Amino acid sequence: NAGVMQNPRHLVRRRGQEARLRCSPMKGHSHVYWYRQLPEEGLKFMVYLQKENIIDESGMPKERFSAEFPKEGPSILRIQQVVRGDSAAYFCASSPGGRDQPQHFGDGTRLSIL
Amino acid sequence: GNSVTQMEGPVTLSEEAFLTINCTYTATGYPSLFWYVQYPGEGLQLLLKATKADDKGSNKGFEATYRKETTSFHLEKGSVQVSDSAVYFCALGARGQNFVFGPGTRLSVLP
Repeated sequence: NAGVMQNPRHLVRRRGQEARLRCSPMKGHSHVYWYRQLPEEGLKFMVYLQKENIIDESGMPKERFSAEFPKEGPSILRIQQVVRGDSAAYFCASSPGGRDQPQHFGDGTRLSIL
Repeated sequence: GNSVTQMEGPVTLSEEAFLTINCTYTATGYPSLFWYVQYPGEGLQLLLKATKADDKGSNKGFEATYRKETTSFHLEKGSVQVSDSAVYFCALGARGQNFVFGPGTRLSVLP
C-alpha cells in the first residue's frame, strides 16, 4: 500500500500523559501536513513540514504541541501533558510539492483522553 | 485570507436523485480547487480537482466546474447511490498559503 500511513489508528491516554502520532507519507512525497478534526466539524490546519524543516506551524498551539519530520523515518506529532480538549481525530496528509497541489490523506489517529 | 463556504447539511436524497452541493470561495490570485469525500471512520479522499478557470473536474459520476466569475465550484452528480452517503468537503489550495477546507456537507442517500 503506497498510501499515507498513520499509526496508531486509536490512542487512549490519561490526562497528563504524552501522545505520539506517526505519519509516513506517500512514496515520493516530501511535504507533510497535520490537521485536527473535531466531531461534526471540518479540518483545522496545524502544521506543514518538509524533510527536517517546519515550514508553517501557524495552526499549532504554542504550548504542549510539537511536530517533526526527520530525514529518516515518519513525521511525528507530539502532544505533551494531554488534556480532555485534545480529544479529536488527527489527520496527516502528504503532497509531492507545494500547497497548491492535491493532498493525500491517511485514515487518521483518533485520540481519546480519559 | 482565503476562505471556503459550503451549503449547510445534512442533505438527504432518494437514490437516483440529482445532487448539487454549493461551494463558493474567496481567494487572492489563482487557487486550485478540490472536492474531497470522507466516509465514516476514514480519512479524506480526493474526489476531483480543477486548477484554473473553466476547468471541469470529474470522477465517479461527480463533476464540478471552476467558475472564476462567480467564485464557485459546485459539486454535481446526476444520479446518486446509497454508497455516495458521506461527508463532502470543498477545499482551496494556493502556492505559499495553507489549504483551506469548507465545513463539510453530510449527504445521506436513502434506498
